[in-house]
Order: sequence, then C-alpha cells, then structure tokens
Amino acid sequence: ETGVTQTPRHLVMGMTNKKSLKCEQHLGHNAMYWYKQSAKKPLELMFVYSLEERVENNSVPSRFSPECPNSSHLFLHLHTLQPEDSALYLCASSQGLTGTREETQYFGPGTRLLVL
Amino acid sequence: KQEVTQIPAALSVPEGENLVLNCSFTDSAIYNLQWFRQDPGKGLTSLLLIQSSQREQTSGRLNASLDKSSGRSTLYIAASQPGDSATYLCAVDAGNMLTFGGGTRLMVKP
Repeated sequence: ETGVTQTPRHLVMGMTNKKSLKCEQHLGHNAMYWYKQSAKKPLELMFVYSLEERVENNSVPSRFSPECPNSSHLFLHLHTLQPEDSALYLCASSQGLTGTREETQYFGPGTRLLVL
Repeated sequence: KQEVTQIPAALSVPEGENLVLNCSFTDSAIYNLQWFRQDPGKGLTSLLLIQSSQREQTSGRLNASLDKSSGRSTLYIAASQPGDSATYLCAVDAGNMLTFGGGTRLMVKP
C-alpha cells in the first residue's frame, strides 16, 4: 500500500457515457498527478495539481476534465470517450512538485478503463 | 522535447544472474532520474532516485548510476530472484513533470 487509493479499479463504459475516476491520498502531500498508460506507449503525464491549482495540462483532449476539490482528492471526469482512450489511468502524489528537491511520486494502483 | 528510451524492452534470465537495464534520455537538463518497478495490473513503486549532482544510488541488491552528460543511466540488479520479475521504468524529472521510458519487462526464471 502506497497511501494512494483509486476507485474504481476497473471500468467499462460506452462512448456516450459519463463517468468519474477518483483518487485519494492519505500522505499529506500537496501535489497530485494523473497519468495515462496505454499498451503500446510509455506512461504519459496528463495533469498536475499543486495546492489544488492546475499547473500542467499536457495537451489532453477536453473529453477529460480533472477536478481537485482539496489537496487529498483528485477526480478525472470522463465524457464521450473514444475506444483509443482505453488504458490504465494512474494517479500519483508527492510532497511538493517534483524537480525542487529529492522528491518522488507515490502511485495508486490505477483504474483499468475499457471504452466500447 | 525530452525522450526517454529503455533497452532491452524485455529480458528473461535464470535465477542468480546479475543483470543491467539501460535507460537513455535526450536532454541532459534534468533535476533527477528515478527508477520505478511496476507489477502486472498495479501502480508504480519507486526504487531509486538519483539527483542530477549524484553519480549513483544503492538500495540492497539494486544499484543505479547516472551519467548526465551522456544522457545515460543503468540499473544493476545483483543475484536476481524470481520475485524481481516485473516491469522496470526509468523517468527523468525536468521540473513539474516526469517523462517515462517504455520500460523493460523482466522475467527471472527459477
């Protein structure tokens, strides 16, 4: 257990559905991240939040909408997704933003998403 | 744009072998380089973090080196065990974000 939980662990949705992924960290961290891991591509950063403000949006389509209501919770709202969005979505947190100190990220177990 | 490459993509070895995983990156302006382990269907676990000013870090049977000027890092695993079977990912931190390589899928056979 890394102190980062994600729900649901598995999700199947149609292209017209709306769903949300939830991430919660119990580590007292101030930064949270969403990553996408596809079968054929390296892990890709999607969004970065620091102290509940979005500091990075890595050219993600608008059908993915993040929300960070407080420093412990991060959501990813999904709507009108495409089959190519099927992937493992990983959440991570860190004490501060990486790059400023000897900092590592703690990852949740991921949500395996299948879009039909 | 930073690109990270890991070689080999997959590796299968008998138990007890010492092995080396390679990682290369294109932009040497990094804060640190990290090695992660990922078990099937699970998230990532941090193994080692090397600051840009450091040359290597060690943890148990793992040793990671960093040559920032040449854009290379290696992860050395001594006396491999079946429990080491997993995907190993390296990532470079250039501020605010980690850029990951594609990973090396390691299988250690009993």
